[in-house]
Amino acid sequence: EAQVTQNPRYLITVTGKKLTVTCSQNMNHEYMSWYRQDPGLGLRQIYYSMNVEVTDKGDVPEGYKVSRKEKRNFPLILESPSPNQTSLYFCASSLLVVGGASTGELFFGEGSRLTVL
Amino acid sequence: AQSVTQLDSQVPVFEEAPVELRCNYSSSVSVYLFWYVQYPNQGLQLLLKYLSGSTLVKGINGFEAEFNKSQTSFHLRKPSVHISDTAEYFCAVSDRGGFKTIFGAGTRLFVKA
Repeated sequence: EAQVTQNPRYLITVTGKKLTVTCSQNMNHEYMSWYRQDPGLGLRQIYYSMNVEVTDKGDVPEGYKVSRKEKRNFPLILESPSPNQTSLYFCASSLLVVGGASTGELFFGEGSRLTVL
Repeated sequence: AQSVTQLDSQVPVFEEAPVELRCNYSSSVSVYLFWYVQYPNQGLQLLLKYLSGSTLVKGINGFEAEFNKSQTSFHLRKPSVHISDTAEYFCAVSDRGGFKTIFGAGTRLFVKA
């Protein structure tokens, strides 16, 4: 079954304790992206990656890091979490077509709800 | 830069009634347009998309949307809703490269019996 898998689904942590949210897709998609969802704000892009070793900032990258060492995995790293990073996080992937463009259709994971105390 | 405005944060409607969820966008370049649905405790899934061609786009679960370039709108419609359509709906726009997708704030559709 084609899917995007995120772990953990739920996490409560404390300020300053480094954590990683993993994301893996089995659709051989080149493009992967992280979003955070907050009430009344919709989804905002944190980072995206067009292929292995190619990443770029989205609209709200502060306080986050990413890496893309393998095509299927795109982990989100919070080096020193703070309470304002309490949010619902989504990983998404998309296929790049001939010419390197994307149709823009995103496939989402089920989300990771993070609470930072 | 692109932006998306969903004009209603919540839309209550009775079962079997028609519904329209409104979306306006702004962009200086040509864009792709999308509607996604999010059921409780789930990720988003694509309802429909406009890439080019016919301005009336049909999606899953009986939904359709019409792209209006002059009014920069992409409103979502369904002629008769079901209880199971209760969910949050997101309008989104991406540039033609597809690398940056901007989402609206969402519209919560609540279908009442």
